[in-house]
Amino acid sequence: DAGVTQSPTHLIKTRGQQVTLRCSPKSGHDTVSWYQQALGQGPQFIFQYYEEEERQRGNFPDRFSGHQFPNYSSELNVNALLLGDSALYLCASSPTGGSEKLLFGSGTQLSVL
Amino acid sequence: KQEVTQIPAALSVPEGENLVLNCSFTDSAIYNLQWFRQDPGKGLTSLLLIQSSQREQTSGRLNASLDKSSGRSTLYIAASQPGDSATYLCGYTGGGNKLTFGTGTQLKVEL
Repeated sequence: DAGVTQSPTHLIKTRGQQVTLRCSPKSGHDTVSWYQQALGQGPQFIFQYYEEEERQRGNFPDRFSGHQFPNYSSELNVNALLLGDSALYLCASSPTGGSEKLLFGSGTQLSVL
Repeated sequence: KQEVTQIPAALSVPEGENLVLNCSFTDSAIYNLQWFRQDPGKGLTSLLLIQSSQREQTSGRLNASLDKSSGRSTLYIAASQPGDSATYLCGYTGGGNKLTFGTGTQLKVEL
């Protein structure tokens, strides 16, 4: 079992550009959550997708949007990139319910110049 | 605002020492609490999960406890090894899979 797969692993963008990050959940998991982790900080919840809909959202601006596909994979889109968007973006998958351990991917390191 | 505090922020110990990492949280309505390990620039690896109805969980040299009434959890690492060097994060869910994390404890185990 491949677990949670994220792509790309590293990405460099310039201010104002747009970026799309991708996540494939563990087989059997139908819920995908995205987190942003700035250097030296704990991960911050961005949003969660279940049944192709955004179910919960953290305190992030509308520049952050997402999508979940019928095969449960997910994308995170960030528009009008700011220097402060530089961070490690983590995807986590879980089965429906919330009592199981969340399984995290290795993350995408985004650098905005 | 629900917060999670982890103390200490950094810790350096000699190999073989037993150590305790602390996590405190303000939300009394937690569903479960997890301890994670994170190596530099990498994702999170779940170490232990404690349901709100449980008091502790053990896995090998790791033991985590949970006291909901005081809003505290501890991670005990026995006989530390250099391979234990990493950042340890605690995070809780109030239901719905959303995790609220602390800022972590950076552990270095020296030979």
